[in-house]
Amino acid sequence: GIQVEQSPPDLILQEGANSTLRCNFSDSVNNLQWFHQNPWGQLINLFYIPSGTKQNGRLSATTVATERYSLLYISSSQTTDSGVYFCLPHNTDKLIFGTGTRLQVFP
Amino acid sequence: EPEVTQTPSHQVTQMGQEVILRCVPISNHLYFYWYRQILGQKVEFLVSFYNNEISEKSEIFDDQFSVERPDGSNFTLKIRSTKLEDSAMYFCASSEIWGGGNTIYFGEGSWLTVV
Repeated sequence: GIQVEQSPPDLILQEGANSTLRCNFSDSVNNLQWFHQNPWGQLINLFYIPSGTKQNGRLSATTVATERYSLLYISSSQTTDSGVYFCLPHNTDKLIFGTGTRLQVFP
Repeated sequence: EPEVTQTPSHQVTQMGQEVILRCVPISNHLYFYWYRQILGQKVEFLVSFYNNEISEKSEIFDDQFSVERPDGSNFTLKIRSTKLEDSAMYFCASSEIWGGGNTIYFGEGSWLTVV
């Protein structure tokens, strides 16, 4: 089955800093989602991005399916950005989450 | 935005008891999923379900687990004879069409504690 690795596993930032999170996957995919898991455990859908680049406020995402990776950019980070970020590549009905990046943003 | 709803939000059960976790997927969705997340760990795939049968399942989804769509709106996960290691957050999800072609929406989770 597909292997999904995310990097870095942990990231500590000061408020205002920018960051790039990476998701690598081992097989070809038809689509990909990025999620933010907040401190209450909820999975918040950030992007549905099969290819190209999308932006939503301070967040943007890029997927290069042919090279089997996706990037999530967070600019001007805020304390409310803290939590775990997961990617979820779509290629079969057995959808495997990435290993996650735990982000902590301090004031 | 459409919502997947899960009940209960939190359940405490004794080891060996049976538990049923309930989910109401988005109304026009056809694909349903259950995932598990042990505290502090990654989100793990359990099972996908389409057209009243299991489409895919992971090695975690053994004979202890079963899924059912008892009526036109609910999708349930049953855990027979719970063990301490079943303590986790369980997420239900649904999508309109096959997961590879559409956004998958997740519920807020059911936190199961086995004591």
